[in-house]
Amino acid sequence: DIQMTQSPSSLSASVGDRVTITCRASPSISTYLNWYQQKPGNAPKLLIFAASILQSGVPSRFSGSGSGTDFTLTISSLQPEDFATYYCQQSYSTWGTFGPGTKVDI
Amino acid sequence: QVQLQESGPGLVKPSETLSLTCTVSGGSITGYDWSWIRQPPGKGLEWIGYVFPSGHTNYSPSLKSRVTISLDTSKNQVSLKLNSVTAADTAVYYCARQVEQQLEQKHYYYMDVWGKGTTVTVSS
Repeated sequence: DIQMTQSPSSLSASVGDRVTITCRASPSISTYLNWYQQKPGNAPKLLIFAASILQSGVPSRFSGSGSGTDFTLTISSLQPEDFATYYCQQSYSTWGTFGPGTKVDI
Repeated sequence: QVQLQESGPGLVKPSETLSLTCTVSGGSITGYDWSWIRQPPGKGLEWIGYVFPSGHTNYSPSLKSRVTISLDTSKNQVSLKLNSVTAADTAVYYCARQVEQQLEQKHYYYMDVWGKGTTVTVSS
């Protein structure tokens, strides 16, 4: 089984801050890593796939990097609409395990 | 654009079968994989499984013995059945379109369109 962890589990930030969320996979998953954003009461929304490719329509302040076991999601300048929970998901194996999530609040 | 709508009973009794339908509008279900994901109250996302256009399926190992996902191309719907439910199956259930994209000889999969989700409570 591929295990996914995220850190931190939650963080507090202010508008304009640079925010970095880490996702770790065990074992290695190359670049088979997706990032989703979920706001309360809403379905998840795809932000990034293949570790670093921005989904169409997603603001450029979001970026992803990493390969193998360590990945990061960065929000370069946090906006009010970015307060949400962020999940990573591996697509290396035939079943797509999600990380436990990172909640970003004010 | 493509929209997904989950539907089904909001309350299911323990030991019975949970049955949900995902109706796809604005596009055909053929040519794509379709996933089901759930989220227990206050918890994270759990991938349940998905169905290929051929009807072949992949399921989470932890649910494999109880779950069936299938396509109805005539109705443009995807269905989920989960039998022998317990309170631990109480969750919001989402359907999502899974896309395959080939980049540099690698095949990437991601879920780009999601339904709004439907809440299912397991209780007597």
